[in-house]
Amino acid sequence: EPEVTQTPSHQVTQMGQEVILRCVPISNHLYFYWYRQILGQKVEFLVSFYNNEISEKSEIFDDQFSVERPDGSNFTLKIRSTKLEDSAMYFCASSGQGARNSPLHFGNGTRLTVT
Amino acid sequence: SQELEQSPQSLIVQEGKNLTINCTSSKTLYGLYWYKQKYGEGLIFLMMLQKGGEEKSHEKITAKLDEKKQQSSLHITASQPSHAGIYLCGADIATDSWGKLQFGAGTQVVVTP
Repeated sequence: EPEVTQTPSHQVTQMGQEVILRCVPISNHLYFYWYRQILGQKVEFLVSFYNNEISEKSEIFDDQFSVERPDGSNFTLKIRSTKLEDSAMYFCASSGQGARNSPLHFGNGTRLTVT
Repeated sequence: SQELEQSPQSLIVQEGKNLTINCTSSKTLYGLYWYKQKYGEGLIFLMMLQKGGEEKSHEKITAKLDEKKQQSSLHITASQPSHAGIYLCGADIATDSWGKLQFGAGTQVVVTP
C-alpha cells in the first residue's frame, strides 16, 4: 500500500540553525500538508500546499517556516532559524483531493529536537 | 474553548470487551476523521465520515457521525491487544478551507489480558 515517507526520523539541531525536513507524498496525490505535535499536546495544522503554492497556513507558520516542492516527488519544510519551542514531531501528509473529499495520509514523522 | 473534545482521555479494557470513544465538536462538522497513533509514531488512517448518520465499519471498528449533535463515536468490538494505542479524531470545521483539520487530544486505549 502506498505510503508517505519522511526523513530523517530524528533530527537534533542547535538553536538558530536551519533544518530541512523532507517528505515523499503518495505519488498520485495533489494536496500536501505539514502538521506538528509538541510532546503531550494535540496535533496541529501548519500549512497546506496545492498546485505549487501555499493554500493556507496557521499562525504558527511564520516567516521562519517555508515549504517547497523542489521536484515531482519531494515536499520539504524548512525552518530557517530554529528555536527551542520548535522541538516537536513534524508530520507530513498528503491527500488525493481536498480533505473534504479524501482522507489525509500521514507519514511517520520527524522528531525535531532543538538544543 | 476546546473546539474538538474527545472522551474519555484514556481507558483500560479487558481483552474481548467492547469500548467506545466519543468526539464532540463545538462547530459544524464538514468531515470527521479517525486516526490511530502509537506513541511517538505516525497517524494511521482508520475512517472518514462525511454525512450525518453515516456509519462505517472496518474489521471490528465502527464509526458513526451524528451531524445534529456534531458528534462522532468510535466503537471497537471484542478488543484485542492490537487495538491498543492512541485514537485521535480530526475534524474539518472551517467553512472556507480544506485540509486544515482540528484534532482532539486523543484517547489512550490499553487492552489488558
